Order: sequence, then C-alpha cells, then structure tokens
Amino acid sequence: GQQVMQIPQYQHVQEGEDFTTYCNSSTTLSNIQWYKQRPGGHPVFLIQLVKSGEVKKQKRLTFQFGEAKKNSSLHITATQTTDVGTYFCAASGAGSYQLTFGKGTKLSVIP
Amino acid sequence: GAVVSQHPSRVICKSGTSVKIECRSLDFQATTMFWYRQFPKQSLMLMATSNEGSKATYEQGVEKDKFLINHASLTLSTLTVTSAHPEDSSFYICSATLGGVGGSPLHFGNGTRLTVT
Repeated sequence: GQQVMQIPQYQHVQEGEDFTTYCNSSTTLSNIQWYKQRPGGHPVFLIQLVKSGEVKKQKRLTFQFGEAKKNSSLHITATQTTDVGTYFCAASGAGSYQLTFGKGTKLSVIP
Repeated sequence: GAVVSQHPSRVICKSGTSVKIECRSLDFQATTMFWYRQFPKQSLMLMATSNEGSKATYEQGVEKDKFLINHASLTLSTLTVTSAHPEDSSFYICSATLGGVGGSPLHFGNGTRLTVT
C-alpha cells in the first residue's frame, strides 16, 4: 500500500524559532492532508493540498505540495507554545479515499 | 459541522472480557467510517474500514474475529474488542469522512483509551 515517510520524528525549538516537517512518498499522490494532534487529544484536520506545486497559508503555517506531488512540507514561522503537538501528514493515492498516515513529527516548544 | 462522537473515552476491563466502542457522526451521514489504533508516541494505524450495510474491510494483520465492526446505520459504527488481552491495550480512534473517493478530510472522534488488566 501507500507509504509515506515523515521527518523528523521529534523537533525541539525555542519559542520564536521556525519549524518544518516533511513528508515524502515514492509514488505520486492524489492529495495530501495535514493533521495536528495535541497531547492527549485526537487528530484535527488542518488542510488538504491537491494541486501540483500548491502553497497554502494559515496564519503562521505554510503548507506546500511538491511539483511532482510526491512530497509536502508544513512550515511554522515563529513558533508559539500553542503549536505544541504532533503533526501528521496523510496521503492517498489516485482513486482511493484511504489515507495513509506518516509517523508524525512531535513538536516541543521551549518558552 | 462534521462532528464525530466516540464513546467511551476511557475503559478498563479485565482480560477475557469484551468491550464495545461506539462512533457516531452527529451532524452528517457517514457511509464510511475508519477505525485506527494508536500506540503511545506512534502514528495512527488503520485497522479497518467500516461500510454501512456491508462487511468491514480489515487491514492486513488485523483479526476480524477479534475486532468486530458493525456499521448498522449511516451515523453509527461500533468496534467490539472480543476476549481482550493486555496487549490490546491501546488508544482506538474512529473517523468519518463526508466524501468518498478523492480524499475528503477525516473527522476524528475523541478516541477511546482501552486498558486491559
């Protein structure tokens, strides 16, 4: 089935620093979604990218979908303590509604 | 909109007993729901896809006789962990999507933390 590699597994940053997590697939993706899971909580949908080279922004969060639709990134500018959590990418292949989740990147923000 | 309710949030049971977890879509109809399992500090592992009115589709390595899934209505799917053992202790999360093929966003329940003693 679809495999999605996500790095890094952990990231510790000082408050105010930037943060980036990456997802990569060996096959072309139909779309990619990003979720955030706070400690003790459930994943919450952030955004979906569908088009090649697509870039979407949500305040301090910037999401990119690669030109070949095989990779994606989530970048947070000037992290805040409220950004703490695990960020997951999830991708589906062509013609499938089944999502495969990456292993997630756990973000810790040091005040 | 698109709220998914999961119950119970926590359950402790004795080894050998069965536990039922409910997943409801509160404000939409979900023909398809998904059941995931998440171990501490790990990703979400898809266990099965629950289809309303038909049998669930289980992922490789998931015992269908141990994890019984019933999707009797468009708003309710249940997961029953039968003859639970300590190794079944985990965080179980359901999700539902408004769309079908094409990858609509998943809306997750709050999850159920199962502890088998």
